[in-house]
Amino acid sequence: AQSVTQLGSHVSVSEGALVLLRCNYSSSVPPYLFWYVQYPNQGLQLLLKYTTGATLVKGINGFEAEFKKSETSFHLTKPSAHMSDAAEYFCAVSDDGNQFYFGTGTSLTVIP
Amino acid sequence: NAGVTQTPKFQVLKTGQSMTLQCAQDMNHEYMSWYRQDPGMGLRLIHYSVGAGITDQGEVPNGYNVSRSTTEDFPLRLLSAAPSQTSVYFCASRGTGITEAFFGQGTRLTVV
Repeated sequence: AQSVTQLGSHVSVSEGALVLLRCNYSSSVPPYLFWYVQYPNQGLQLLLKYTTGATLVKGINGFEAEFKKSETSFHLTKPSAHMSDAAEYFCAVSDDGNQFYFGTGTSLTVIP
Repeated sequence: NAGVTQTPKFQVLKTGQSMTLQCAQDMNHEYMSWYRQDPGMGLRLIHYSVGAGITDQGEVPNGYNVSRSTTEDFPLRLLSAAPSQTSVYFCASRGTGITEAFFGQGTRLTVV
């Protein structure tokens, strides 16, 4: 089975600062990779996904992530944090598109 | 277009009681799944379905049953609730291929 590691259960950044949320996965073959965001008391919403092709993936709300096969990583970044980015972020992987494995989540706090 | 609808939003059960969490989607998606979300553990897959009449176990299936008699509905049954099943439950659906999953708003279940 896949496993997903999100380093840092809580990350705090100042408004306007770089956001970097880390995700590493275990897989012997390139998986499908996803980042989801969860706002309080809501379901998860897709930010971006990598399936094939370009390794730098752009998503909604100014987020992007880069698939690095050699590092088995799919870190999420945003150049300038906004107050509205405060939420829980989940990295997820899938080998076959049926079973998805989620990381434990990173709670992002944006400090004004 | 309602997306994925879960009912109820909140539920308190006594140990040993049974109940069904309802999930319905109106996007004609083939794939549906149930996850539970626990603090520090992310989302874990309970059961999933790749189409009407077809279900399979996920990572944590024990204590839960599912059925898929129609494309739209995917109920999750707890036959004899236990305190360990206290959690937030999310239903998700997606179309064919490696597409994003759409999540419901969640059901917060407490078993006392």
